[in-house]
Amino acid sequence: AQSVSQHNHHVILSEAASLELGCNYSYGGTVNLFWYVQYPGQHLQLLLKYFSGDPLVKGIKGFEAEFIKSKFSFNLRKPSVQWSDTAEYFCAVNARYGGSQGNLIFGKGTKLSVKP
Amino acid sequence: GAGVSQSPSNKVTEKGKDVELRCDPISGHTALYWYRQSLGQGLEFLIYFQGNSAPDKSGLPSDRFSAERTGGSVSTLTIQRTQQEDSAVYLCASSLALTSGSPYEQYFGPGTRLTVT
Repeated sequence: AQSVSQHNHHVILSEAASLELGCNYSYGGTVNLFWYVQYPGQHLQLLLKYFSGDPLVKGIKGFEAEFIKSKFSFNLRKPSVQWSDTAEYFCAVNARYGGSQGNLIFGKGTKLSVKP
Repeated sequence: GAGVSQSPSNKVTEKGKDVELRCDPISGHTALYWYRQSLGQGLEFLIYFQGNSAPDKSGLPSDRFSAERTGGSVSTLTIQRTQQEDSAVYLCASSLALTSGSPYEQYFGPGTRLTVT
């Protein structure tokens, strides 16, 4: 069965610090990869996605993620965080079976708190 | 509409009662998904629809849970004889058709917070 691991449960950073959130998945086939963000009191929003091509993908608000197939990883990065980045971040995977796609498998989430 | 909508936004019910949660997907999205978000379990998949049919019901936690979709649009998730462990935020998402070779992304609604007392 597929699974997604997010290694950090809660990360606390000061503004301007760099961020890297780890995400590893278990599935040997072709996958689509996503990072979603949930700001306090808001619903889940897509931050970025990887389907194919360049393994370094850029998303909204200066976030980027790198897909490393050999490591089954899709880590999220941002060079300089802001207080407004305080949110919960979810990594998600969707396996592609013969071209069809179904549900997302989510990691447990990482809470990011940015101190002003 | 502009996004996925869900109703009610909050529901408090007594243990043993039935509840119905509604999801209105983005217009034109033929795939619809239900997830549950709870403190201990994170985000769990429940069921998805392609049109009006549900090819994958594997995530439904028990036979007290059921879902239907009519007209390829609105979906309802029904929980019968609610239990305290059903308390969670129920999220709905929609996406374009699950066609071969066509990547997609899921758009989430605001959720229904269910509290079973």
